[in-house]
Amino acid sequence: SAVISQKPSRDICQRGTSLTIQCQVDSQVTMMFWYRQQPGQSLTLIATANQGSEATYESGFVIDKFPISRPNLTFSTLTVSNMSPEDSSIYLCSVDGWMNTEAFFGQGTRLTVV
Amino acid sequence: AQSVSQHNHHVILSEAASLELGCNYSYGGTVNLFWYVQYPGQHLQLLLKYFSGDPLVKGIKGFEAEFIKSKFSFNLRKPSVQWSDTAEYFCAVRTTSGTYKYIFGTGTRLKVLA
Repeated sequence: SAVISQKPSRDICQRGTSLTIQCQVDSQVTMMFWYRQQPGQSLTLIATANQGSEATYESGFVIDKFPISRPNLTFSTLTVSNMSPEDSSIYLCSVDGWMNTEAFFGQGTRLTVV
Repeated sequence: AQSVSQHNHHVILSEAASLELGCNYSYGGTVNLFWYVQYPGQHLQLLLKYFSGDPLVKGIKGFEAEFIKSKFSFNLRKPSVQWSDTAEYFCAVRTTSGTYKYIFGTGTRLKVLA
C-alpha cells in the first residue's frame, strides 16, 4: 500500500491567483495522477505525471492552466493557475500500484475560489 | 467513449436492509474493476477489486460484487447494511490496454438510517 499526504487540505483563494498543491508519497512510484472532483460529480482525471517526462493531460485540461511538476519518484505538485470560481473543487492526488494492486488516494485539497 | 455509469445517485436505507448498487461500464477491452468508498471527511478507500478469476469477489466490511462480463456490469451488494456504511460509493474501471487510466462513475451517496 501507499500513504499519500496532500497539502494544503483546503484553501480559499482570490480569483486570478494561483495555488500549488503538493503530494508526497511514502514510497517510490512511477505514475502519479491528479484528479478533480467537482461538487456533486465524479473524479475526473486531469493528468498523469511520470518522473522524468512531461505530464500527459486529458482532454479539456492544459498545461498552462494546470502545470505539474514531478521532480522525483515520491513527490509531485499541481498548480491551479489564474483561478476562477469555476475552479472550486476538490483536487486529488493518486498513485497506482499497477498489476495486482489498486490506486491509492490522498485526502484531497478542497479549493474555494472567491 | 469509455464511461462508467452508476444508476443510483442517492440511496436511503434502514439498518439491516439489503443493498445493491448498480455499475455498468463501456469499454471494449480488458478491464480491472473496483469499488471505492469515501466516508464523510475521509479519503477514498478500496472496498474490493476484480482482476480475473471468480467473478464474485468479496471485499471488506461484508461487501461483495459480481462481474458479469456479458452485461458489462459490476454491481455492489451487501446483505445487511449498518449505519456506519453511510458514505459515498464509486465504481471505477482501469483500462489495461492502450491508454492506461482509471474511469470513475458519478458515485452513489448512501445514507443508512439507524
